[in-house]
Amino acid sequence: EAQVTQNPRYLITVTGKKLTVTCSQNMNHEYMSWYRQDPGLGLRQIYYSMNVEVTDKGDVPEGYKVSRKEKRNFPLILESPSPNQTSLYFCASRQGYEQYFGPGTRLTVT
Amino acid sequence: GENVEQHPSTLSVQEGDSAVIKCTYSDSASNYFPWYKQELGKRPQLIIDIRSNVGEKKDQRIAVTLNKTAKHFSLHITETQPEDSAVYFCAARYNFNKFYFGSGTKLNVKP
Repeated sequence: EAQVTQNPRYLITVTGKKLTVTCSQNMNHEYMSWYRQDPGLGLRQIYYSMNVEVTDKGDVPEGYKVSRKEKRNFPLILESPSPNQTSLYFCASRQGYEQYFGPGTRLTVT
Repeated sequence: GENVEQHPSTLSVQEGDSAVIKCTYSDSASNYFPWYKQELGKRPQLIIDIRSNVGEKKDQRIAVTLNKTAKHFSLHITETQPEDSAVYFCAARYNFNKFYFGSGTKLNVKP
């Protein structure tokens, strides 16, 4: 089954404790992206990747890092999380026009 | 960059009526405009999209129109059903790789 997976689905952590949210797709898509969703703000793009080792900033990259060492994986790294990064995070992949979203990761930073 | 505005933020209609959601964008370089439906606790799912060289696209009860001159595009849902109740997001793709989303419209279809 073609899909985008994310782990963990839920995470509660404390300020400053480094964390990684994983994203994997099995569709051999070149393009992958991370978004955060906050009430009243829609989805905002954090980072995207056009292919292995090629990444670029989206609209709200501050406080986040990404890497793309393999085509199928695109992890999101928060080196020193802060409460303002509490949000719902979605990974997505596409080949062509349509984006396929993962199930989301709800992150709470206290 | 790009800025996408979406209206209304909430919309309540009677079952069988039509619903219209409108979005405007700021940068004429945007060339692809998808619409997503997000049910409570679920991921966004593409319901229809339109490219900048097309003025209108229809898929059963759903249609999207694009006015490039005015930089706005709209989602039209006819004969609404309770299962259409969800949050709808418009988006604009800028420079091939960047996506900008509207703030969402919560549609409530009353039986």
